[in-house]
Amino acid sequence: NAGVTQTPKFQVLKTGQSMTLQCAQDMNHNSMYWYRQDPGMGLRLIYYSASEGTTDKGEVPNGYNVSRLNKREFSLRLESAAPSQTSVYFCASYGAERNTEAFFGQGTRLTVV
Amino acid sequence: GENVEQHPSTLSVQEGDSAVIKCTYSDSASNYFPWYKQELGKGPQLIIDIRSNVGEKKDQRIAVTLNKTAKHFSLHITETQPEDSAVYFCAASISRGGKLIFGQGTELSVKP
Repeated sequence: NAGVTQTPKFQVLKTGQSMTLQCAQDMNHNSMYWYRQDPGMGLRLIYYSASEGTTDKGEVPNGYNVSRLNKREFSLRLESAAPSQTSVYFCASYGAERNTEAFFGQGTRLTVV
Repeated sequence: GENVEQHPSTLSVQEGDSAVIKCTYSDSASNYFPWYKQELGKGPQLIIDIRSNVGEKKDQRIAVTLNKTAKHFSLHITETQPEDSAVYFCAASISRGGKLIFGQGTELSVKP
């Protein structure tokens, strides 16, 4: 049981480049989330998906897009990376319909230069 | 939308002492309140949670209390140990697919 798997673990981008962060879960959860973590600001919700085929904006969606490809996978795309997007990104899945524990991936450390 | 405030941002205690971290939430419809522990270089992991129909929950050295009227909840760690040193996050959610919103985090340091 792998839980939540994120790729890549580390990435350096130049300003203006694009990339997609991948996330997959094997717990049959309906809800999946993308957070960014910055010093002193906790975990801020970028986008979430309450079920396959639906996505909604969180607290800080600007500069990002998401795709809920199927029940297992939820990807986060940066179309034109900016230095302000330097952060650690976490994917999580959550059995919200059963109020069960949310599980987090190990994170992607992204640096935009 | 939901807003979660967490205090203090840093907390230093001596081994064996107790530690208390407090959170307030804004949305009275929130009914699920988990606490997460994050160790360096890792993703957050659930340590305890409480639902709105319960006022207190305990698991060995860890306890959480919830005051729905005041919209605040707290994490209590007794007999702290150096391995309790980590960043702790509170969160709040409305069930059934609702957003899980986190507080800003508390960096706990337990000195031997």
